[in-house]
Amino acid sequence: DIVMTQSPDSLAVSLGERATINCKSSQRVLTSSNNQNYLAWYQQKPGQSPSLLIYRASTRESGVPDRFSGSGSGTDFTLTISSLQAEDVAVYYCQQYYSSPWTFGQGTKVEIK
Amino acid sequence: QVQLQESGPGLVKPSETLSLTCTVSGVSITTYYWSWIRQSPGKGLEWIGYIYYTGSTDYNPSLNSRVTISADMSKNQISLKLSSVTAADTAVYYCARHGSYLDYWGQGTLVTVSS
Repeated sequence: DIVMTQSPDSLAVSLGERATINCKSSQRVLTSSNNQNYLAWYQQKPGQSPSLLIYRASTRESGVPDRFSGSGSGTDFTLTISSLQAEDVAVYYCQQYYSSPWTFGQGTKVEIK
Repeated sequence: QVQLQESGPGLVKPSETLSLTCTVSGVSITTYYWSWIRQSPGKGLEWIGYIYYTGSTDYNPSLNSRVTISADMSKNQISLKLSSVTAADTAVYYCARHGSYLDYWGQGTLVTVSS
């Protein structure tokens, strides 16, 4: 199984400041056939189900604010919230869909400082 | 719009079989893959398995011998059965749609395993 490890486990950021979450996979999730990273990011707000933010490591899902961005390739990925808003308080998960079984990171809790 | 709704018993006894249904609206289940994912209280996310309407399935080896996912095209529903449950199977169970990534999720249903 591909192990996904996120850091930090939690972070507190002031409103309007940048939040950065890292995700490392134990194996590359980059496909040679189409040069795509099979890595997604999800946001789970309190009491809600997860929702898709980013796929293919850097493509924002429709309707996701552009303050959310994803980067990275191979085994190292980053989710950045450029200017944290109150509604961004949530747990964020990375997930690889490169190989079965699909696996998630342990989650990073983002709070307001 | 695409909507997924999980349903089933909220309480299951140890050693029995957990059975859940995901009713899909807004899209035919024949057009995508459908997964079940669970989240234990205060814990992270665990992918259980998926089904394509043709009957093709893939299960997480950690649960493989206990899991069955099926599809009912006439009702546009996906079902999950997990046998021989223990307290460790207590979780919120989600169904989700995917081509590759999981783009639509249900609201989830809490299943508690307890006598």
